[in-house]
Amino acid sequence: AAGVIQSPRHLIKEKRETATLKCYPIPRHDTVYWYQQGPGQDPQFLISFYEKMQSDKGSIPDRFSAQQFSDYHSELNMSSLELGDSALYFCASSPVLASTDTQYFGPGTRLTVL
Amino acid sequence: GESVGLHLPTLSVQEGDNSIINCAYSNSASDYFIWYKQESGKGPQFIIDIRSNMDKRQGQRVTVLLNKTVKHLSLQIAATQPGDSAVYFCAENIKGNQGAQKLVFGQGTRLTINP
Repeated sequence: AAGVIQSPRHLIKEKRETATLKCYPIPRHDTVYWYQQGPGQDPQFLISFYEKMQSDKGSIPDRFSAQQFSDYHSELNMSSLELGDSALYFCASSPVLASTDTQYFGPGTRLTVL
Repeated sequence: GESVGLHLPTLSVQEGDNSIINCAYSNSASDYFIWYKQESGKGPQFIIDIRSNMDKRQGQRVTVLLNKTVKHLSLQIAATQPGDSAVYFCAENIKGNQGAQKLVFGQGTRLTINP
């Protein structure tokens, strides 16, 4: 079965640079979520989109922005990168905007900021 | 506030034994809970879920128990195998704005299966 695709899988950036992470949800899933997982930490919700509109926002820095496109893929844009942004970034998708639909996670993008 | 936590950060069991991983949650209004397994360098993998109108749900070698009275979840893995070694997270599905949902994860328990 098709899964969530994320690219790139690994990314190395310098401080103050920008980064763009991409997420391709499972086919026919129209809701996308972004999570950040620091070393040894649990994933933290950043932001979600439903039908190309932002549906919820968590602890996402103002330096970060995201959007969902007409083909339902999503991009997380990160500017003025800081050392503390080094983390695993996961995208998850679910089929509908509802309270009990399971979120399926992608393999993640490991971002390292030097 | 919203929080989901795990009692034990690490757990080691012998191959073939059963394991139990515990989780406490604080939001009594939560109605949906999920257990995820995360192997090193991979994304969280769905294992099993349970809704608040149930107190037990079984899958293949896994059982989730929900005690709403004390706001406690547990994941039981039967006849553990080396491939069960991973970090296990419980997650609480929280309704956000306009019906959107987000997951609040617990700390995670590292399960090690010893041969």
